[in-house]
Amino acid sequence: EAQVTQNPRYLITVTGKKLTVTCSQNMNHEYMSWYRQDPGLGLRQIYYSMNVEVTDKGDVPEGYKVSRKEKRNFPLILESPSPNQTSLYFCASSLEGLAGVSYEQYFGPGTRLTVT
Amino acid sequence: GQQLNQSPQSMFIQEGEDVSMNCTSSSIFNTWLWYKQDPGEGPVLLIALYKAGELTSNGRLTAQFGITRKDSFLNISASIPSDVGIYFCAGHSNAGGTSYGKLTFGQGTILTVHP
Repeated sequence: EAQVTQNPRYLITVTGKKLTVTCSQNMNHEYMSWYRQDPGLGLRQIYYSMNVEVTDKGDVPEGYKVSRKEKRNFPLILESPSPNQTSLYFCASSLEGLAGVSYEQYFGPGTRLTVT
Repeated sequence: GQQLNQSPQSMFIQEGEDVSMNCTSSSIFNTWLWYKQDPGEGPVLLIALYKAGELTSNGRLTAQFGITRKDSFLNISASIPSDVGIYFCAGHSNAGGTSYGKLTFGQGTILTVHP
């Protein structure tokens, strides 16, 4: 089954304790992206990756890191989490389209992170 | 960064009614998409629009890419209880040298359908 998977689905942690949220897709997609969803703000893009070893900042990259060492995986790293990073996080992927990237993104099920 | 203003923020309707929601921007967008998010799940793509003036349907859903390229509309006809969820518009703009990878989302419209 074609899908985007995220782990963990739920995480409660404390301020300053490094964590990684994994994202994996089995559709051979070049493009992957991370979003955070907060009430009243919709989804905001954190980082995206056009291909292996190519990453770029979205609208809210502060406090996050990513890596794209292989095509299928795109982990999100919080080196020193803070309470304002409490949110619902989504990973997404898509094929490249005619314009270089397809915006028809497939989303994972989400990771609910709470930082106390 | 780019901003999309989506309205209304929420809607409470009776089953069978038609629904309209829209998304506007102060800058030109070259791609518009509409997503639906069911409770506890990730957004799912409903309709993608790539040309100004384009009108596309997906079952009871119809979306249009505004002719000014600064807005988009989504209509749902004859709503049913399973239409409940959050609807998001999203778009990509080349304005200001925005890179291909950046996608901007609206704030979402929460739809509630009463049987």
